[in-house]
Amino acid sequence: KAGVTQTPRYLIKTRGQQVTLSCSPISGHRSVSWYQQTPGQGLQFLFEYFSETQRNKGNFPGRFSGRQFSNSRSEMNVSTLELGDSALYLCASSFETGQSSGNTIYFGEGSWLTVV
Amino acid sequence: GIQVEQSPPDLILQEGANSTLRCNFSDSVNNLQWFHQNPWGQLINLFYIPSGTKQNGRLSATTVATERYSLLYISSSQTTDSGVYFCAVGAADSWGKLQFGAGTQVVVTP
Repeated sequence: KAGVTQTPRYLIKTRGQQVTLSCSPISGHRSVSWYQQTPGQGLQFLFEYFSETQRNKGNFPGRFSGRQFSNSRSEMNVSTLELGDSALYLCASSFETGQSSGNTIYFGEGSWLTVV
Repeated sequence: GIQVEQSPPDLILQEGANSTLRCNFSDSVNNLQWFHQNPWGQLINLFYIPSGTKQNGRLSATTVATERYSLLYISSSQTTDSGVYFCAVGAADSWGKLQFGAGTQVVVTP
């Protein structure tokens, strides 16, 4: 079974540009969440999607957005990039039914974004 | 929100040594997971353990939910155990929304 796949793995963008990152969850997983990891702030929750609906959103500005498609694949977009957006962006998926607990969360290898 | 504190922040071990990592959390949780982040950045899930004890090879974990802490034990450490260990917690109504601790950086020397 393939793991969580994130693309692209590495990218360099210029301040003011926008970026789209993609995440394909493990087959059958309907919950997808995104995290930002920086040396200063650690791992911070961005948003969570379940069955194409955003269920939770972290404390990030509106420049950060995301969506989930009917096949559970997810994308996140960051507009008007700032130097501080340089980070490792991690996607995670889980086989959550929405009713039960006890599901392991699996992370992808991440997308390394550098803003110059 | 829930506060998660991990200790110690850094740990240097000689190969073969045993160690205990601790995670304290500030409120009741339904979801607690331990992860190992390798040098390439990938987070590997070690345990889902909101309560009780689990073992997987040289690793084991115990969570005492009533006292709001969890412990991760590494026995007979190997150099491949090096990396950062994270504890993450969440509530049942937001399964994918985890609050991470700052992590414990582990270095295992030959």
